[in-house]
Amino acid sequence: ETGVTQSPTHLIKTRGQQVTLRCSSQSGHNTVSWYQQALGQGPQFIFQYYREEENGRGNFPPRFSGLQFPNYSSELNVNALELDDSALYLCASSSLRVDTGELFFGEGSRLTVL
Amino acid sequence: AQSVTQLGSHVSVSEGALVLLRCNYSSSVPPYLFWYVQYPNQGLQLLLKYTSAATLVKGINGFEAEFKKSETSFHLTKPSAHMSDAAEYFCAVSDQAGGATNKLIFGTGTLLAVQP
Repeated sequence: ETGVTQSPTHLIKTRGQQVTLRCSSQSGHNTVSWYQQALGQGPQFIFQYYREEENGRGNFPPRFSGLQFPNYSSELNVNALELDDSALYLCASSSLRVDTGELFFGEGSRLTVL
Repeated sequence: AQSVTQLGSHVSVSEGALVLLRCNYSSSVPPYLFWYVQYPNQGLQLLLKYTSAATLVKGINGFEAEFKKSETSFHLTKPSAHMSDAAEYFCAVSDQAGGATNKLIFGTGTLLAVQP
């Protein structure tokens, strides 16, 4: 069973640039969620994708956008980067079930905005 | 709306001592509760979960947690700490309202240090 993989693991951008982060979900999972974890904080929900459509969004501005592909992999795009976007971005996959809510996380992409 | 509060951002114990990490939740519906562990520069790994079955939940690495509805708590314990337990621990509640299912709301985390 292949786990959740994310790329790149680390990257550095400057203010105003755009970034794309990628995630391959665990085999058998059809739902991908993205979380932002700022230094010293718990992960914050950005959005979730199910069957290639956004299925819920947290309190993040529209410059945070995403995609899910037919193979259930996903991208997170952030435009017009700000210093506060520096964080660990975590992807999590799951099977969309109401009964457990369990998520399986990747190791994250650490973004530094200068 | 659901939320979790973790009391104590830093906890230090001696190797072999009891580990107790506190988590209180707020939920308008019966909650699904989780504990995740995060080692440095890694993602989150599920330790255990409560999904309305047995109130005492056993997880990996010798950890367990007890769901207490009267106290709205879900504290994590381990009888004897090991050096390898040093990590950050997050309590989370599943947000069952709104459009997204499987959305987790995390606490701010507790950093566990284990002293030799």
